[in-house]
Amino acid sequence: ETGVTQTPRHLVMGMTNKKSLKCEQHLGHNAMYWYKQSAKKPLELMFVYNFKEQTENNSVPSRFSPECPNSSHLFLHLHTLQPEDSALYLCASSQGGTQYFGPGTRLLVL
Amino acid sequence: GESVGLHLPTLSVQEGDNSIINCAYSNSASDYFIWYKQESGKGPQFIIDIRSNMDKRQGQRVTVLLNKTVKHLSLQIAATQPGDSAVYFCAENEGFQKLVFGTGTRLLVSP
Repeated sequence: ETGVTQTPRHLVMGMTNKKSLKCEQHLGHNAMYWYKQSAKKPLELMFVYNFKEQTENNSVPSRFSPECPNSSHLFLHLHTLQPEDSALYLCASSQGGTQYFGPGTRLLVL
Repeated sequence: GESVGLHLPTLSVQEGDNSIINCAYSNSASDYFIWYKQESGKGPQFIIDIRSNMDKRQGQRVTVLLNKTVKHLSLQIAATQPGDSAVYFCAENEGFQKLVFGTGTRLLVSP
């Protein structure tokens, strides 16, 4: 495995629910990322954190709220999502150019 | 805007054949490229990378070729095995911590 873990692996939620995705990296990297992967679309960068500070928000709707308490942990808080938000959410980390990905959380919004 | 694209959405090969997956990029300023492999139910897995000051790099059974003149990147897999079946993505480094990914090519390996 890559040293990046994500929980849960699968999540089903209603549009009024609040849930959180968790990512942890064991690689000693200083940057962490959230991506969205939808069918037949390229990976979409959502957020980037460097040393716990957010350095990129790629015009993501406010119903997605990231949190990075330290360089090893990254959360994505979800609330009032829409069915079109159903996708695979991938976390990655890096120390330099190459990003290493976790297995993803498969999210279904009903 | 700049984009990374793939010529073929699906590539079918026989076990033991060599596979070539192609990628076109449009940002001539990109200086770093990566190939990822994504198996069903898993996240993208790093395969091999190449910097723009190189035109070829070899790994274990894989070779990446970079042609900056025509902005083309390819991944060659030697003696393709059923375990190589996956979606392969190329990505270019568009800036600091900003990778741009293609849509992917599905490689199907039949016995």
